[in-house]
Amino acid sequence: GAVVSQHPSWVICKSGTSVKIECRSLDFQATTMFWYRQFPKQSLMLMATSNEGSKATYEQGVEKDKFLINHASLTLSTLTVTSAHPEDSSFYICSARAPLPYNEQFFGPGTRLTVL
Amino acid sequence: AQSVTQLGSHVSVSEGALVLLRCNYSSSVPPYLFWYVQYPNQGLQLLLKYTSAATLVKGINGFEAEFKKSETSFHLTKPSAHMSDAAEYFCAVSDLVSGGYQKVTFGTGTKLQVIP
Repeated sequence: GAVVSQHPSWVICKSGTSVKIECRSLDFQATTMFWYRQFPKQSLMLMATSNEGSKATYEQGVEKDKFLINHASLTLSTLTVTSAHPEDSSFYICSARAPLPYNEQFFGPGTRLTVL
Repeated sequence: AQSVTQLGSHVSVSEGALVLLRCNYSSSVPPYLFWYVQYPNQGLQLLLKYTSAATLVKGINGFEAEFKKSETSFHLTKPSAHMSDAAEYFCAVSDLVSGGYQKVTFGTGTKLQVIP
């Protein structure tokens, strides 16, 4: 199947710093990518939908200025957590929608963010 | 908006026993339904999906699910559990939103424990 990678796989940062997470579709072009957040022992919550060449669409309750999303190319979307705080510690997962014949979302392996 | 409900946050089965994970959906139109598996600190892997073709869907690793419209259910089964099946399982439904892409909404997950 199609492969989606994320980098880094885990990151620890100090409170107040910004962290960038990359999501890449390795063997297909993805016009649409999705960012999810997963708290421990909970389900995935969609944060935003990233469309190549346009502004991301954020879900209700997600701060646009805190979670900056850029989808600069058909294979790369980035999520930047600005001025991170301990409550931002979470598991962030991206997915990319693959075109035919797949026509489904493929998920990255996730990034574990810990803010001290 | 479409949604899914997973009954039972934890399910324990003996190795070799039947696995049954329950999922009910809420949808006003024929839905696309999915089952994903997540191993610790990893992303999601698609087990199977229903896209309005055959009501009995076979997936990877011996799993299958049956779409029952009358019961609005899409339960996941496997005849004989293996130790390697221990993981978290998510039922999901997709919703066609403006822009032409499908937004996936996840259930709360069921953690499967396999007892030797």
